[in-house]
Amino acid sequence: EVQLVQSGAEVKKPGESLKISCKGSGYSFTSYWIGWVRQMPGKGLEWMGIIYPGDSDTRYSPSFQGQVTISADKSISTAYLQWSSLKASDTAMYYCVRYGFTMILNWGQGTLVTVSS
Amino acid sequence: QSALTQPPSASGSPGQSVTISCTGTSSDVGGYNYVSWYQQHPGKAPKLMIYEVSKRPSGVPDRFSGSKSGNTASLTVSGLQAEDEADYYCSSYAGSNNPYVFGTGTKVTVL
Repeated sequence: EVQLVQSGAEVKKPGESLKISCKGSGYSFTSYWIGWVRQMPGKGLEWMGIIYPGDSDTRYSPSFQGQVTISADKSISTAYLQWSSLKASDTAMYYCVRYGFTMILNWGQGTLVTVSS
Repeated sequence: QSALTQPPSASGSPGQSVTISCTGTSSDVGGYNYVSWYQQHPGKAPKLMIYEVSKRPSGVPDRFSGSKSGNTASLTVSGLQAEDEADYYCSSYAGSNNPYVFGTGTKVTVL
């Protein structure tokens, strides 16, 4: 069974750094693109970016380029999303997803990030 | 790259049909037959309902169907049931540099 298991909820202060994770299992981790999707409270889905763990090729949405960093460690089948300096507007649910090129095949359970002073 | 445009809401009575549109450009929806649709119930992760414009994954009822004309894709839910009440999002491939974009989302209400 394919699973994407994300790290737990986080509460952070503005200006702090954060790295959340997504561990894939049940499939060849290096053969599928892994992406990140943001959903702000009460709002829609926003595509942030993707990484191909096989060679670390990474693509970002223009809206998120320079705001976050996506990475992966194929030795432990884990992808990451990180911020160097959080803002209150980063408060959202973040989903990791596995792409089958044309569509999202699997979703993680989501990681809720709350940024508040 | 802008989000694909969907109507904020749609509704229908049980047994009726509802159609949701998803309008993009020739760089995304119109340029590729790679439109997918996702259903999201409150507090849950989204679920794939349609891929490559009109294909249904295993387990998705045939009440759900998809189509595309030009820069606009559509999702039709026939024979509406109470459990179809959810938010629906379209998504399209948009080229190798900025590969994907989501729609703005549509809340479907079963009256």
